[in-house]
Amino acid sequence: AQKITQTQPGMFVQEKEAVTLDCTYDTSDPSYGLFWYKQPSSGEMIFLIYQGSYDQQNATEGRYSLNFQKARKSANLVISASQLGDSAMYFCAMREGRNTGNQFYFGTGTSLTVIP
Amino acid sequence: ETGVTQTPRHLVMGMTNKKSLKCEQHLGHNAMYWYKQSAKKPLELMFVYSLEERVENNSVPSRFSPECPNSSHLFLHLHTLQPEDSALYLCASSPGPAGGPDTQYFGPGTRLTVL
Repeated sequence: AQKITQTQPGMFVQEKEAVTLDCTYDTSDPSYGLFWYKQPSSGEMIFLIYQGSYDQQNATEGRYSLNFQKARKSANLVISASQLGDSAMYFCAMREGRNTGNQFYFGTGTSLTVIP
Repeated sequence: ETGVTQTPRHLVMGMTNKKSLKCEQHLGHNAMYWYKQSAKKPLELMFVYSLEERVENNSVPSRFSPECPNSSHLFLHLHTLQPEDSALYLCASSPGPAGGPDTQYFGPGTRLTVL
């Protein structure tokens, strides 16, 4: 079974609107971390936001928020007030456990296009 | 300036060549990673070094050989590659065994083409 599933290969959003990118995960480890990265066409993976499995509140970083639903094993990324510069690939990732070197599992990504 | 740099950014090589990819991190991190990113596939973890010791080797062919001389530098030595090895190779670093989320921070990648 895939550890991270992103079911939206491509998404479009109007500039200034909000958009939700879906991510579901699969793990039996009670301790894990969830991450979202943005990859523009230049190739660099840019860290956006982190949610720990024991965190009580949803993570927020500026215009990014993570809708963490533990029972459903989902960690959707919400981008508010979309900007043209938000057009990129977005990857959801998970690390099981807390040891350095524990593998990050990445999804296949969602391509987001912001329409002016 | 990015905290993780990679050189070269683009590399074209023949199957008989030997080349090396270089990664340097300026974040004071203790762990470094090599990933391979192919089209339409999730990122594949290749190697992990923590405190300069290799802690993960995900069944990578021996034509890829990593080297971590210190906690700031990571190399990937390439020899007798195959065309299917063409991909974006990403380096990342993370704080390491200090607790916390151990977020990985990535470099810009090396776009490798094997002819």
